[in-house]
Amino acid sequence: QVQLVQSGAEVKKPGASVKVSCKASGYTFTSYGISWVRQAPGHGLEWMGWISAYNGDTSYPQKFQGRVTVTTDTSTSTAYMELRSLRSDDTAVYYCARGPQYEWEQKPGDNWGQGTLVTVSS
Amino acid sequence: EIVMTQSPATLSVSPGERAALSCRASQSVSSNLAWYQQKPGQAPRLLIYGASTRATGIPARFSGSGSGTEFTLTISSLQSEDFAVYYCQQYNNWPWTFGQGTKVEIK
Repeated sequence: QVQLVQSGAEVKKPGASVKVSCKASGYTFTSYGISWVRQAPGHGLEWMGWISAYNGDTSYPQKFQGRVTVTTDTSTSTAYMELRSLRSDDTAVYYCARGPQYEWEQKPGDNWGQGTLVTVSS
Repeated sequence: EIVMTQSPATLSVSPGERAALSCRASQSVSSNLAWYQQKPGQAPRLLIYGASTRATGIPARFSGSGSGTEFTLTISSLQSEDFAVYYCQQYNNWPWTFGQGTKVEIK
């Protein structure tokens, strides 16, 4: 069965960076992409970026351009999301979700990781 | 970006009753609309995609309808495990955008 297993909780100071991993299993990793979505405490869902595991193409919303980088390691079927210059309002649960293989493809996130809590506090 | 608006924010329903949740897009998203269920402490779970197609393993009491800018998720007879927060999401255009959620609570 499809599984996305994320790395554990992190506590970071303001200004630092965090890198969250998402290890995929149960499907051909390069046949899909991975999106990253976050959820601040008591809030809704916010998309942060997407990468094709097939060709490495990426897409980011304007809000996170220059502060987020998503990558993949196809040798280990693992995706990564790095967020830099952390602020207190970046405290959230970060999810990876399996998504489209190509940027032009229209597919939702059909399988999600369990989430990684990132706490930003001085 | 496309703004997704859900209503109501909270829906109080008795077990066994029907619930209808609405989602509106600020511009047409065709049928590229998904619904997710989220319970406390859990990741979102895909219920519906393509506005009306149930995802694998989703019970038939969940149904979706609509196209363009107006969408509805209907739960025909609420079970205890259905009390949760429901989000709609458009994937017609990047960036993906989500509604703010509808909480379905026990009346």
